[in-house]
Amino acid sequence: NAGVTQTPKFQVLKTGQSMTLQCAQDMNHEYMSWYRQDPGMGLRLIHYSVGAGITDQGEVPNGYNVSRSTTEDFPLRLLSAAPSQTSVYFCASSYKRHYGYTFGSGTRLTVV
Amino acid sequence: DAKTTQPPSMDCAEGRAANLPCNHSTISGNEYVYWYRQIHSQGPQYIIHGLKNNETNEMASLIITEDRKSSTLILPHATLRDTAVYYCIVRVRLSNFGNEKLTFGTGTRLTIIP
Repeated sequence: NAGVTQTPKFQVLKTGQSMTLQCAQDMNHEYMSWYRQDPGMGLRLIHYSVGAGITDQGEVPNGYNVSRSTTEDFPLRLLSAAPSQTSVYFCASSYKRHYGYTFGSGTRLTVV
Repeated sequence: DAKTTQPPSMDCAEGRAANLPCNHSTISGNEYVYWYRQIHSQGPQYIIHGLKNNETNEMASLIITEDRKSSTLILPHATLRDTAVYYCIVRVRLSNFGNEKLTFGTGTRLTIIP
């Protein structure tokens, strides 16, 4: 098992550009989430999915879109990058509700 | 949301038991307590979780008080590799749809002293 794989690991964007952060898991997990972590702060939930075809918003969804066409993949799309979206992004997955989450190693995004 | 309160930092001598406290006085009856840790800038790592009873696994033990308003994570024999930020989290259900979130606070920065 590769676990939760995030790509790319680092990315620099210009303001207004769009891009997709990739997240894939090979553990047949139902639950997948995207979090962002700003310096000195805890993680904040962006979007969430409880299964293929089902997504919902978290605490800070503005400026981001997600889709879940397969169980394995949960990409996060930045529509028009802004400097406020400079952060470390973590994808996580969980088998079912009362199981622990497995996190990816993160994508460090800088918007200039 | 049930919120958690943790001390910002703690030190522990290598080889000793590290006891990390967490208060969650507004926790609801069906909400679980989870512990994660984050080593440097890596992704958080799941440690353990529980509802009412004490739990133990290969990494740690979780002691939850009878009234469920607080809990303690115990690392029985701390090593230098246990230096990390430890997060106590209540997994909150946002809707019947199934959405939920892990509410991460700022955690406890645990430093293991050689």
